[in-house]
Amino acid sequence: SAVISQKPSRDICQRGTSLTIQCQVDSQVTMMFWYRQQPGQSLTLIATANQGSEATYESGFVIDKFPISRPNLTFSTLTVSNMSPEDSSIYLCSVAFGQGATYEQYFGPGTRLTVT
Amino acid sequence: AQSVTQLDSHVSVSEGTPVLLRCNYSSSYSPSLFWYVQHPNKGLQLLLKYTSAATLVKGINGFEAEFKKSETSFHLTKPSAHMSDAAEYFCVVIGAAGNQFYFGTGTSLTVIP
Repeated sequence: SAVISQKPSRDICQRGTSLTIQCQVDSQVTMMFWYRQQPGQSLTLIATANQGSEATYESGFVIDKFPISRPNLTFSTLTVSNMSPEDSSIYLCSVAFGQGATYEQYFGPGTRLTVT
Repeated sequence: AQSVTQLDSHVSVSEGTPVLLRCNYSSSYSPSLFWYVQHPNKGLQLLLKYTSAATLVKGINGFEAEFKKSETSFHLTKPSAHMSDAAEYFCVVIGAAGNQFYFGTGTSLTVIP
């Protein structure tokens, strides 16, 4: 397992600004993911952020809007750019261990973003 | 493509009665399936997972789930609900790449005293 922290835990931002969310893990992991959970809804995968390669974005998410950095095996950032009220969500990072039958993901506590 | 469908958006049970949260999956191969729980204002916690070993999987807090290939189902059950079980439950399938999670829409469980 892993202990995952995110900063900030919550923020209220104005339309048109950007926010960078940090994700810190207490152990080295190759696979890291970013998710969005809109109010009252399920989690949607934004992108996969593996160290040493460009992030891979899911359909509907683009790098210009959600740039991701992965400078090392314990840290990643997600930026929400040029925010609009529709970006109000909880943003979660997760890390994965194992493969096949041993594969599991562990999630951070989330960053609750409100855009006004 | 892999996906899961959670058949009930809300389930309400009385304390001490059985819990059944339903999940059907769609996959072109034998999937890995998970159940996660999310308590209010808290992070996601893994309850249990199925990875093609035993079809009946036991998890934490008395929960278990049975993988039924013929019914493409992976329903979550608990014999006796506790007040602390009130939360949002997500059924999850792994994507074809073998490392991406795809979440169901969630089932909100209410436990009535």
